[in-house]
Amino acid sequence: GESVGLHLPTLSVQEGDNSIINCAYSNSASDYFIWYKQESGKGPQFIIDIRSNMDKRQGQRVTVLLNKTVKHLSLQIAATQPGDSAVYFCAENIPLSEGQNFVFGPGTRLSVLP
Amino acid sequence: DVKVTQSSRYLVKRTGEKVFLECVQDMDHENMFWYRQDPGLGLRLIYFSYDVKMKEKGDIPEGYSVSREKKERFSLILESASTNQTSMYLCASSRGQNMNTEAFFGQGTRLTVV
Repeated sequence: GESVGLHLPTLSVQEGDNSIINCAYSNSASDYFIWYKQESGKGPQFIIDIRSNMDKRQGQRVTVLLNKTVKHLSLQIAATQPGDSAVYFCAENIPLSEGQNFVFGPGTRLSVLP
Repeated sequence: DVKVTQSSRYLVKRTGEKVFLECVQDMDHENMFWYRQDPGLGLRLIYFSYDVKMKEKGDIPEGYSVSREKKERFSLILESASTNQTSMYLCASSRGQNMNTEAFFGQGTRLTVV
């Protein structure tokens, strides 16, 4: 079946460096994409989203890039901090006649080194 | 502040028991979802509902049923719990139909079946 996947299951970065987390999706009908952060023992929390008619969106310290040609999504975190250590998931929204269907990738664990 | 609340953080149940996981959202969202999260497998959709009394099977509905009698509440039922249903269960809700809005998650229920 169609799925969302991540190239790197784990990522370690030095505090203060920039982080890049990648995601590949396969459903060309997906029209909306989200990045979530999940800390240990908690549910996923929304970080940033992007619609399919955009190729870049910026938030506070985070940027999402969307390349529809190669079906690739990335999350960039600037000046990574210890509090950024978590598992990051990408999700794609597949349009339905009723409701929504979010498909999630397996996640990437980001570890921030002191 | 928007909120999705799951009734229990931790549950231990015996094989064969009937188990109810409850989820309530206070955002008047139309869509509600139940996922299970297992290491290396990410979030997998069990069931979702786009309206009161409406339900749709997700990717792994076997062994589960759901109930949505009121808009704010979505219950997941394990008719006869088995050890392979030991997992983290996550409830989520989202607004409307294909409105390109994110899903909000509860804190999760870690279920252990012994």
